[in-house]
Amino acid sequence: GESVGLHLPTLSVQEGDNSIINCAYSNSASDYFIWYKQESGKGPQFIIDIRSNMDKRQGQRVTVLLNKTVKHLSLQIAATQPGDSAVYFCAEMDNYGQNFVFGPGTRLSVLP
Amino acid sequence: KAGVTQTPRYLIKTRGQQVTLSCSPISGHRSVSWYQQTPGQGLQFLFEYFSETQRNKGNFPGRFSGRQFSNSRSEMNVSTLELGDSALYLCASSLLVAQAQFFGPGTRLTVL
Repeated sequence: GESVGLHLPTLSVQEGDNSIINCAYSNSASDYFIWYKQESGKGPQFIIDIRSNMDKRQGQRVTVLLNKTVKHLSLQIAATQPGDSAVYFCAEMDNYGQNFVFGPGTRLSVLP
Repeated sequence: KAGVTQTPRYLIKTRGQQVTLSCSPISGHRSVSWYQQTPGQGLQFLFEYFSETQRNKGNFPGRFSGRQFSNSRSEMNVSTLELGDSALYLCASSLLVAQAQFFGPGTRLTVL
């Protein structure tokens, strides 16, 4: 069946360093992906999305890379700040365009 | 624009009771999806409504139901509550189906 999984459940980075959060997906027909950030006590917050006709998309301090060959998605955060500490989820739109499937999440901790 | 709002934010119920949660989507958004989030299972899709019709349903028992009103506001109901229903229930809205979803803060349900 479909699955979206993360390689690392936790990630600790020094403030100011770049962070890379990874996500693997199994459905090669998925064509829409979203990264969300969830802070404690809040709902997931939309960060950036990418469709399968693109390999890279940039936002403010964030970049999403999509490698369809190996079915891998990554979120890069430049100059990581304490406010970036949160759990990050990748979400995949399944091949029927029916609903999003979420990965288990990666907890990012930013060290001072 | 105001974001997605959910009421109540916190709820405590006992086993066997039923509960109704409410969600108001972002103005103009016509699709509303509901998710259950638990530490053990992560974010799991419950159902999606569009134009007052349930267009997709996740793998949850029939005790979980929902509806959408003509103003796109949505409610979900859980009958005969079980301890395992304790979770954060998240509502997300999107302009149309298969588009980026924006989440509310969630309703924290505790079943005693």
